[in-house]
Amino acid sequence: ETGVTQTPRHLVMGMTNKKSLKCEQHLGHNAMYWYKQSAKKPLELMFVYSLEERVENNSVPSRFSPECPNSSHLFLHLHTLQPEDSALYLCASSQGTGQYNEQFFGPGTRLTVL
Amino acid sequence: GESVGLHLPTLSVQEGDNSIINCAYSNSASDYFIWYKQESGKGPQFIIDIRSNMDKRQGQRVTVLLNKTVKHLSLQIAATQPGDSAVYFCAEKTRTSYDKVIFGPGTSLSVIP
Repeated sequence: ETGVTQTPRHLVMGMTNKKSLKCEQHLGHNAMYWYKQSAKKPLELMFVYSLEERVENNSVPSRFSPECPNSSHLFLHLHTLQPEDSALYLCASSQGTGQYNEQFFGPGTRLTVL
Repeated sequence: GESVGLHLPTLSVQEGDNSIINCAYSNSASDYFIWYKQESGKGPQFIIDIRSNMDKRQGQRVTVLLNKTVKHLSLQIAATQPGDSAVYFCAEKTRTSYDKVIFGPGTSLSVIP
């Protein structure tokens, strides 16, 4: 185990649903990340939080809304998603956002949008 | 630009043989490179990294080679084992976007017992 947990592991939702993905890290890190991994594209960075402040929003549509209430928890709130949003959503954490800080990944949430 | 219908390169290797996984990068400003391994049902896991002031770095059974002239990175796995079967990603960081990791498309390694 990497010390980063994600729930749920699998999620199926309709386009009008609202759901949230949860990530928790037990490593004492102060930076957290959301990535999207789909079959047709390389792993894509979505959001970066450092010390609970968002420092990167990589042109992600507003139907994805991140929340970082403290340095150990990260949420991704989902609303009116599209079928093309179906993907594996990965959370990661690192000790700082410095260039040489290793990112530790969780197992991901497999999301299917119907 | 974006890739449409991304095809994941595959590599099949006999158990005990050495594996070489290649990666090309395009950003000359990238100066830190990482190899990740992703097994089925898991997130990417750090394997080894290399900074741009080096051209070779060795770990346990793995070696990363960096050729900045042709913007090429390779991962060598010695005495490949069935547990090495996974998708391998190279990733890069630049001095200016140090919090961004840019991932390559990945290579699927299958080890034949």
